[in-house]
Amino acid sequence: GAVVSQHPSRVICKSGTSVKIECRSLDFQATTMFWYRQFPKQSLMLMATSNEGSKATYEQGVEKDKFLINHASLTLSTLTVTSAHPEDSSFYICSAGGADFSGSGEQFFGPGTRLTVL
Amino acid sequence: AQSVTQPDIHITVSEGASLELRCNYSYGATPYLFWYVQSPGQGLQLLLKYFSGDTLVQGIKGFEAEFKRSQSSFNLRKPSVHWSDAAEYFCAVGSYGNKLVFGAGTILRVKS
Repeated sequence: GAVVSQHPSRVICKSGTSVKIECRSLDFQATTMFWYRQFPKQSLMLMATSNEGSKATYEQGVEKDKFLINHASLTLSTLTVTSAHPEDSSFYICSAGGADFSGSGEQFFGPGTRLTVL
Repeated sequence: AQSVTQPDIHITVSEGASLELRCNYSYGATPYLFWYVQSPGQGLQLLLKYFSGDTLVQGIKGFEAEFKRSQSSFNLRKPSVHWSDAAEYFCAVGSYGNKLVFGAGTILRVKS
């Protein structure tokens, strides 16, 4: 159980376009979803936390107008990278935590999305 | 603030040898502790977790970890490493707001 999927797994886009990444919890209700960014050979950097039906909470230094997060249902969160530029190229990973996991920090991770902006 | 330190960036072990990956945390209360593994280009897979109780925790793929409060450590061990264990390993501590704070990761290389 506790499977999280991400789509697409890879995306290549031109500079200036917007890209949407979907994160779905397949077999549980994710009250909270997290979006991370990972640069090569580095650890995960938390970008934002989203709770179903409310606005996302962004970490310091993350541009909320550039990285739009929507968590419209208990099984789906989306990250939209607006007006993408080459420096936005990275590996984006989502994770989900449900009501059963609240307080512990336990999260289940998606497989990641490799974004390349040309 | 919570923090996690993984002092070894790279570790190389021979196949069949034992493995220990170090993790030290800084956290004011009883921590929730996790070990994740990441293969190249993949997401993170949970190996094991510690919430309370027995300080020696068994995980998947033959891994175990021991919580030592006095040393603020949660080291990951495996008695006999397989070539398929080569990956990057992340230690993490549960933080406020259900967040996770990750260490920098340790890359494990397995030589035959």
